[in-house]
Amino acid sequence: DAGVIQSPRHEVTEMGQEVTLRCKPISGHNSLFWYRQTMMRGLELLIYFNNNVPIDDSGMPEDRFSAKMPNASFSTLKIQPSEPRDSAVYFCASSLIGGNTIYFGEGSWLTVV
Amino acid sequence: GNSVTQMEGPVTLSEEAFLTINCTYTATGYPSLFWYVQYPGEGLQLLLKATKADDKGSNKGFEATYRKETTSFHLEKGSVQVSDSAVYFCALSVSNTGNQFYFGTGTSLTVIP
Repeated sequence: DAGVIQSPRHEVTEMGQEVTLRCKPISGHNSLFWYRQTMMRGLELLIYFNNNVPIDDSGMPEDRFSAKMPNASFSTLKIQPSEPRDSAVYFCASSLIGGNTIYFGEGSWLTVV
Repeated sequence: GNSVTQMEGPVTLSEEAFLTINCTYTATGYPSLFWYVQYPGEGLQLLLKATKADDKGSNKGFEATYRKETTSFHLEKGSVQVSDSAVYFCALSVSNTGNQFYFGTGTSLTVIP
């Protein structure tokens, strides 16, 4: 079975550019999460969706970050404009609501120079 | 509120040594408890879980017992291998939080031959 699929796996971009990260959750899962991982701050929840509706976006660092989930099989996390401090690994994860196990993708490794 | 506190690392052990990584939690409801493992350059993978008090989760020689009286879920392995070198995350989910998952800060384990 396909797991959570993220793209791109690696991206290097210049400061000020727009970055779009993509995620396809596990088929049938109805809850989707975006996390950011850095050495300094560890694993941080940015936002999560239930049934394509954002439930908690309190972890989104600032207005430069936005996330959408237009349908059950696709989500994007956008950073515009990007800054060097946004360099991190961004993980997407999915689960069933009430299913009590969360599955992670392999991450998108973002470097902003 | 809901939170997880786990033993800070890094932890360095010799091959075949006994491993314990401590994890304690606070929860407003009846949580499910998890250990996730992250190998270098990869996403988090579910290692084991327990969904109710006194349950023992086990996988790949790792074990953890859900102790409600001490609000703990310590990870143990009797004989570690070099291939166990990774970062280990304790986590909980509570069904009354809209499918929210709470992760600890992670404990880095290095096993030397």
